[in-house]
Amino acid sequence: DAKTTQPNSMESNEEEPVHLPCNHSTISGTDYIHWYRQLPSQGPEYVIHGLTSNVNNRMASLAIAEDRKSSTLILHRATLRDAAVYYCILKDDKIIFGKGTRLHILP
Amino acid sequence: EAQVTQNPRYLITVTGKKLTVTCSQNMNHEYMSWYRQDPGLGLRQIYYSMNVEVTDKGDVPEGYKVSRKEKRNFPLILESPSPNQTSLYFCASSLYVGSLTIYNEQFFGPGTRLTVL
Repeated sequence: DAKTTQPNSMESNEEEPVHLPCNHSTISGTDYIHWYRQLPSQGPEYVIHGLTSNVNNRMASLAIAEDRKSSTLILHRATLRDAAVYYCILKDDKIIFGKGTRLHILP
Repeated sequence: EAQVTQNPRYLITVTGKKLTVTCSQNMNHEYMSWYRQDPGLGLRQIYYSMNVEVTDKGDVPEGYKVSRKEKRNFPLILESPSPNQTSLYFCASSLYVGSLTIYNEQFFGPGTRLTVL
């Protein structure tokens, strides 16, 4: 199964953009890149997904490298409520969560 | 409101006493799944089901059973719980249309914190 690598933790100031990186050098052609986040004391929630092209939704943007070996989740204007663990997942038949990146937002 | 519910939310039990954690979804989703979350290990999939009467093992199925007799329910059964099954458990569901499960977001329940003494 293809694996992802994310930094253990990151910090950002409130109201500034946040770029969360994910490396997936062994990604296969059929693997979709999904991002989930887990707020404190809650279950994970879907953020965004993509295959090759960059994607935008109301929560975030997903920038995918041309070779698809890495991607970046972009929160355009972080708020304190965005403090969470963010998981980058390659999804084919099974769904494998890694340890994610714990994002701290500084007021 | 579209949701995944789990019961109980908290459970303390003793080794060997059979228990069931229920999971129910009201979104008519075909795909349902169970995960456990442990400090330092992240979320690991226990079992999943692609539809009624269809279940398959995830990454850590040992010591667990599941059943899918109805589309909306996917109970997790621990026949003889042991302390190493102390964990936070999440149920999730999503649409599944053949291989198009890869497109679909998963909706997670609020979690069940299980302690086995």
